[in-house]
Amino acid sequence: KNQVEQSPQSLIILEGKNCTLQCNYTVSPFSNLRWYKQDTGRGPVSLTIMTFSENTKSNGRYTATLDADTKQSSLHITASQLSDSASYICVVTLLLSTSGTYKYIFGTGTRLKVLA
Amino acid sequence: GAVVSQHPSRVICKSGTSVKIECRSLDFQATTMFWYRQFPKKSLMLMATSNEGSKATYEQGVEKDKFLINHASLTLSTLTVTSAHPEDSSFYICSARVRGASTEAFFGQGTRLTVV
Repeated sequence: KNQVEQSPQSLIILEGKNCTLQCNYTVSPFSNLRWYKQDTGRGPVSLTIMTFSENTKSNGRYTATLDADTKQSSLHITASQLSDSASYICVVTLLLSTSGTYKYIFGTGTRLKVLA
Repeated sequence: GAVVSQHPSRVICKSGTSVKIECRSLDFQATTMFWYRQFPKKSLMLMATSNEGSKATYEQGVEKDKFLINHASLTLSTLTVTSAHPEDSSFYICSARVRGASTEAFFGQGTRLTVV
């Protein structure tokens, strides 16, 4: 069954601290994996996209890793800021056919709260 | 980056009335648009996939007569919630996939629907 699981479900950290969010997936065949940030009451915004051959990708204070063998990804946030408080969603793209049909499998998200 | 505009951002309607939500890709052509529903503290749930010029494909359990989707052009898709009930109150989000080989999909800002 194609699933994406994220942990922890929620996380509270102090401003300036680092944190790591986890994403495990059982999606196959795998096309790519994206991390999104979703502020409350807003649509998700893409942070990074990882393809099968990529291990690490950074976007400012966000660093995503991917281990395609163990089917795990992580999102590391460095020097957290109050504005990082949001839900972080891991989305894996499932390749349905060679003709380019895709389906997005969403994780349940991690709710991050950064406190001053 | 590509922009997807969703309108309205908030709407309150009376039970029994219909509400239309628009999703527009502002600077790209979107052959495929997706409609999601999100419950509080939950991840996005795919309702339907619409391709320009053809009928939408609804996910299991989603009533197509209740949630009418029209994708009349490469830049516009609409979701109409017909005969709305309080249980239809939710956060609705659209996303649009860039025309071509890319799997990238950009999200709208979401619409908070409240049925009273």
